[in-house]
Amino acid sequence: DAGVIQSPRHEVTEMGQEVTLRCKLISGHNSLFWYRQTMMRGLELLIYFNNNVPIDDSGMPEDRFSAKMPNASFSTLKIQPSEPRDSAVYFCASSLWQSPSTDTQYFGPGTRLTVL
Amino acid sequence: DAKTTQPPSMDCAEGRAANLPCNHSTISGNEYVYWYRQIHSQGPQYIIHGLKNNETNEMASLIITEDRKSSTLILPHATLRDTAVYYCIVRVTGGSEKLVFGKGMKLTVNP
Repeated sequence: DAGVIQSPRHEVTEMGQEVTLRCKLISGHNSLFWYRQTMMRGLELLIYFNNNVPIDDSGMPEDRFSAKMPNASFSTLKIQPSEPRDSAVYFCASSLWQSPSTDTQYFGPGTRLTVL
Repeated sequence: DAKTTQPPSMDCAEGRAANLPCNHSTISGNEYVYWYRQIHSQGPQYIIHGLKNNETNEMASLIITEDRKSSTLILPHATLRDTAVYYCIVRVTGGSEKLVFGKGMKLTVNP
């Protein structure tokens, strides 16, 4: 199993530019989570989907951030326009939601975003 | 806010058992205790989880007190590769799949 795949692994962009982060779920998983990690705020959940439907986006910082699942195995997180304070490591995770006793999230390697 | 309390750091000698404590005094009856770890620059890695019974897998053992207000993650034979930040998480209920990560605890395994 390839695990959760994220691309790009590193992204450096200038303030105001659009940034798109990509995530491929583990085959057969039905839940997708986007997290952001910074030194100041630690690891925080931005949004998660279950069966392609956004369930909770309360962690999305503002309208500049948007996330989609165009199909069951793929997701994008878009930042437009990007700002220096968006610099962070962005992780996605997937799980197979069946019951609380079986729910385990598996994380990707992350995308390190630097906005200059 | 995270519902768990962990010491900020702990050291352990290589080859010895590492016992990582976690307090979750406000845990509800149907909330699970999860443990993840994050090795530097990598994504968090699932270790183990449990409800009220002790659990063991190939990575670790989880001991939950009878009143469920605290738990201990045990790495039976710590190696240098176990050096990481360990997160103890009480999973939010109500059908939500959220994991709320706190600050975690830095475990350093020394040679």
